[in-house]
Amino acid sequence: EPEVTQTPSHQVTQMGQEVILRCVPISNHLYFYWYRQILGQKVEFLVSFYNNEISEKSEIFDDQFSVERPDGSNFTLKIRSTKLEDSAMYFCASSEEAGRGNQPQHFGDGTRLSIL
Amino acid sequence: AQSVAQPEDQVNVAEGNPLTVKCTYSVSGNPYLFWYVQYPNRGLQFLLKYITGDNLVKGSYGFEAEFNKSQTSFHLKKPSALVSDSALYFCAVRSMFSGGYNKLIFGAGTRLAVHP
Repeated sequence: EPEVTQTPSHQVTQMGQEVILRCVPISNHLYFYWYRQILGQKVEFLVSFYNNEISEKSEIFDDQFSVERPDGSNFTLKIRSTKLEDSAMYFCASSEEAGRGNQPQHFGDGTRLSIL
Repeated sequence: AQSVAQPEDQVNVAEGNPLTVKCTYSVSGNPYLFWYVQYPNRGLQFLLKYITGDNLVKGSYGFEAEFNKSQTSFHLKKPSALVSDSALYFCAVRSMFSGGYNKLIFGAGTRLAVHP
């Protein structure tokens, strides 16, 4: 069964440094998402992406965050200047479509980001 | 505001007994409801969804869920629990009104422990 893959599985970064989290969505999917889960808290929506542009973003997704689909397979999340509170598990997801909302989002195994 | 509540942090059940994991929601318009399961060090795996139609939906691994519009609930059920069902279960909703076409709103999660 096709899977969403994320790399690395664990990233340790010094505060203030830039970090890029990478994802390879399922190949025939058109919609891509990032979520995060701070330890002990809910899974929170960050951003959705379609047709090479952001379709929706949350309040969390401020100017420090950006997303990109640099080629036909990868989908990245960049945090420009990391803060301690960015420490979390970051999940990438993809779906066939979003407009009618009835297709499930499929999630990767996540990248655990630890900011020191 | 859209929200999902999972009132139980943990559910304990003996193997072979029926299990129920509770979920209630609050959204504008018709909800699209989903259940996901998370095993240790893994991402969220899609179990089942309710979009429209029959209130009882069947999903993966023998799980089913009952949509109750009057009680705004979407409880997850299984007739006979297995030890291997032990995991963290998330209820999520997607609203097709008031924006938010793309994002899933998650509950806090319920840890299911099935004892031999």
